[in-house]
This record gives sequence, structure tokens and C-alpha cells, in this order.
Amino acid sequence: ETGVTQTPRHLVMGMTNKKSLKCEQHLGHNAMYWYKQSAKKPLELMFVYSLEERVENNSVPSRFSPECPNSSHLFLHLHTLQPEDSALYLCASSQDLKNTEAFFGQGTRLTVV
Amino acid sequence: GQNIDQPTEMTATEGAIVQINCTYQTSGFNGLFWYQQHAGEAPTFLSYNVLDGLEEKGRFSSFLSRSKGYSYLLLKELQMKDSASYLCAPRGYNKLIFGAGTRLAVHP
Repeated sequence: ETGVTQTPRHLVMGMTNKKSLKCEQHLGHNAMYWYKQSAKKPLELMFVYSLEERVENNSVPSRFSPECPNSSHLFLHLHTLQPEDSALYLCASSQDLKNTEAFFGQGTRLTVV
Repeated sequence: GQNIDQPTEMTATEGAIVQINCTYQTSGFNGLFWYQQHAGEAPTFLSYNVLDGLEEKGRFSSFLSRSKGYSYLLLKELQMKDSASYLCAPRGYNKLIFGAGTRLAVHP
């Protein structure tokens, strides 16, 4: 248990569905991240939030829409996804964006059918 | 831009020592992290270097040379449970970017 909780752990959705992934941390961290991990590929940074402000969008398609309502919660809203978007989506948080380590949640295993 | 290079796979024997190398290029540099990731699980933090030199932490040590853009993770007294992927992650400006990872297989 790292203090970062993601729900749901598994999600199957159709290409026309809309769903949201949720991430929650109670570590008092100010930075939160979304990563995508596909089979046989490196962790890909998607979005970075610092103090609830998006500071990085790593060329992610608009069918992925992040939301950070407060420093403890981060969402990833999904709509009209493609089968190639099937992956493990990992949320992480860190105290700041400088020299502190990131703590990861257990991830949401997403399958798009 | 960012570029991180580490070997794809390594094998080692239980009780041995293994060194996993990482070379990197990053815009802005705020230190380098090593993470361990077991199959199907989230990455967990192992070590952090921001200054040149060796950081020792039990069976694991990590080395950094900023001028060479080079780091290594040293694992001693290998155990079967050390079979996992090891991810090199330099922290750049606003980013924590991960390498593809080195899959380490420890066998008896």
C-alpha cells in the first residue's frame, strides 16, 4: 500500500462508452501524474498536475481528458477510445516536481473492445 | 528531448551481483530515480541520486555521473524475488520519464 489508490482496478469498455478513472492520494503531495503502460512498451507520461494546475500534456489525444479538482484527487475521463488504448493506466503522486520520488497506485487495467 | 537507454534483459544467479546500466539525455535535470516493477504490479521506488557518486541502501546501490549522463543500479546477494523489471527514471523539468526497463531474471 503506497498511499495512492486507483479505481477501478479493471475496466472493460466499448469504443462508444464514456468512463472515468479515479486516483486518490492522502500523502499531502502537490504533484500528480497519469502514465500509460502498454505491453512491451515503457511507461509513457501522459499528464502532470502541480497544485491542481496542469503543467504537462505529453501530446495525448483529446479522447483522454484529465481533471484535478483538488490536490488529493485526479481523474482521467475517457471517451470514444480505440482498441490500441488498452493498457495499464497508472497514477502517481510526489511531494513536488523537483527531487522527490513518485509513489504509484496499483493501476487500472483498461480493455477497449 | 528525453532519451533513456538501458539493456532489455539480463539474467543472473541467486547470490550473485548484477549491475544494470542506464544512459540518459534530458532537458533539465533534477536527479535520477531507480524503480522496481514486478509483473502486473506498480513500480516501487528503490533509489535516488542527484549528486555524482554512489548511494548505498542495503543490498541495492546506485551510482550517478551527471557529466556522462550515466547511472547504474547494483544489486548484491541476489534473491529469487529480485526477478523484476528495473526502471531508470531521470527527472527533467516538470517530468519524470521512465526508460523501457531492464527485465532481470534470477535463477537458482
